[in-house]
Parts: sequence; C-alpha cells; structure tokens
Amino acid sequence: GAGVSQSPSNKVTEKGKDVELRCDPISGHTALYWYRQRLGQGLEFLIYFQGNSAPDKSGLPSDRFSAERTGESVSTLTIQRTQQEDSAVYLCASSRLSTGTGTDTQYFGPGTRLTVL
Amino acid sequence: AQSVAQPEDQVNVAEGNPLTVKCTYSVSGNPYLFWYVQYPNRGLQFLLKYITGDNLVKGSYGFEAEFNKSQTSFHLKKPSALVSDSALYFCAVSPMDTGRRALTFGSGTRLQVQP
Repeated sequence: GAGVSQSPSNKVTEKGKDVELRCDPISGHTALYWYRQRLGQGLEFLIYFQGNSAPDKSGLPSDRFSAERTGESVSTLTIQRTQQEDSAVYLCASSRLSTGTGTDTQYFGPGTRLTVL
Repeated sequence: AQSVAQPEDQVNVAEGNPLTVKCTYSVSGNPYLFWYVQYPNRGLQFLLKYITGDNLVKGSYGFEAEFNKSQTSFHLKKPSALVSDSALYFCAVSPMDTGRRALTFGSGTRLQVQP
C-alpha cells in the first residue's frame, strides 16, 4: 500500500519568510510524528499527534514552530519567520494506534529538505 | 531523559565478511529499541525492533540485533555483508514504561561495504 508522503520534497526560502510542510500518513495510522534531521546528524523529535489526544509538543524548538493535524489524516508543520538554522530535512512518520505504554513501528516519509537563505 | 550512542561514525567491511554496527542506550526503565537504515536521498526504512521476549531479533535483509540488558546495548549484525548494504544506519530508543512514543535517535553510523 501507499507509504507516508510529504510535500514539497524541496523548499528554498528566504530568511524571515513563513513555510508550510505537509505530511500524509499511511491510511489507518492514528499516530503521526514530526522529526528534524540536520546535516550529518541524527533525528530530533519535534511533535507527536495521537488521535484526539492533546499533541506532545515537547520537542518544538521555539514558538516559531507549530503543527496541526486534521482528524487522523493530513498534518502541516509551519515555521514562521524562518532562520538559517532551520535549514534541515523535516521527516514525518506514522504508526498504528499505540495503546497504554505499548508502541508500534514508525514508518517514515521521504522528507522535505528546507533551505533558508 | 533517554539517549543513544553510536560510537562509530563509519564502519568499513569487505563484502562477504560479517558486520557489526554498535549501539548503546540509556533510558529510564525498560526500552523499546529500533534500527533504521537510510539510503541517499531517501527516508528512513525500518529494519527491526526489540519489544520484549527473545534477545536476538531478526529483521529485514538478513540483519539481526542482540539486546543485552546488562550492557545496555543493541548491536546490529549481519553474517555476510553485501555492497548494497552500504548506507547510514540509525539506532533509536523509546521508553517502555512512560508511554512516551517519540523515538530518540543516535547520530548514525555510515556502513561502507567494499567489493
């Protein structure tokens, strides 16, 4: 079946502009995650959505970052007033419902490469 | 807070030889452990995970990993490396006991398999 899709695949923007990144999770996956991968580094957790529960925003680096999710489908990550240090690959992942303290495998999209000039 | 260490930035191995990519972790309580692989210009692909049960976990493409609780390690292994295994490998952990779902990743290890 279809995997996680993200758009755009590449985004070049000027410092100070706002950007919106989109993620379409795997159908039926109720959990959705955003991560950031800076050049040559591992992934940093940004935000997590699970069904109708309040999102876990503990990884968002500043108030310039926000994310929304419509039901159990599409999510958008918005970065306002972009800075050069925001340049990175932004990865989205989805998984099936994780009950209690259980967990399920996260499947990743191809990412959006953001370059802030 | 949890953390993952991948002590080798790069591992070089000849095709046909066994390979090991090291990973150690720190987490409160019991861990969920994962290995992902990243090929150039592509997203992360899931290889295998340890949830509970047998300490030796088998995954995709002939890879396996051994959970060692006393050494807090989860090393990735393959008996016979292929050139096509060359890629960037990430180890990740999430705590079993707190319900926190987000993964904490290591910095990655580049595997280079020479023909």
